[in-house]
Amino acid sequence: DGGITQSPKYLFRKEGQNVTLSCEQNLNHDAMYWYRQDPGQGLRLIYYSQIVNDFQKGDIAEGYSVSREKKESFPLTVTSAQKNPTAFYLCASRPGQGNTEAFFGQGTRLTVV
Amino acid sequence: AQSVTQLDSQVPVFEEAPVELRCNYSSSVSVYLFWYVQYPNQGLQLLLKYLSGSTLVESINGFEAEFNKSQTSFHLRKPSVHISDTAEYFCAVSEVAGGTSYGKLTFGQGTILTVHP
Repeated sequence: DGGITQSPKYLFRKEGQNVTLSCEQNLNHDAMYWYRQDPGQGLRLIYYSQIVNDFQKGDIAEGYSVSREKKESFPLTVTSAQKNPTAFYLCASRPGQGNTEAFFGQGTRLTVV
Repeated sequence: AQSVTQLDSQVPVFEEAPVELRCNYSSSVSVYLFWYVQYPNQGLQLLLKYLSGSTLVESINGFEAEFNKSQTSFHLRKPSVHISDTAEYFCAVSEVAGGTSYGKLTFGQGTILTVHP
């Protein structure tokens, strides 16, 4: 089955710890994206990558880091510098430039205590 | 910069009634427009999109949306809703440059549609 897999679905961490969220896709898509969702605020773009070994900051990149070493994978690290990390994180991918829509994973709900 | 405003945070309706979820956007360039649906604790699923051509676009499950350039709106409508339509709906835009898009989406705040029996 082709799709986007985010793991784990639920994640708990203590304040001050870094945590990495996984996003894998087997759709052969070039572009991948990370969004953060908070109640009543919609989704906001954290980072995106158009090709392997290249990525750009989105609107709320502070306190986050990413890597894109493989086409299929785009992990997101939530660092201790992120002041309010508890949120629902969604990964998406897209074939590349052109008139196509993004496909989303099922999300990871991160709770920092 | 672009922005999206969904005018209603919650819309309660009775089953089989019509519904309209409103979306307005602001952008200095051309945009593509999308409606996504999200069920609890799940990712987003594309409902419909406007890229070009006919300003009225339809989904397979009875939703439709009309792009109105002069009013910068992309309202979502359904003539008769079902209990299963209960979900959160997001309007989103993607800027177009040189006839193509880099796929970065700007989302509205979301509208929770609750269909009552």
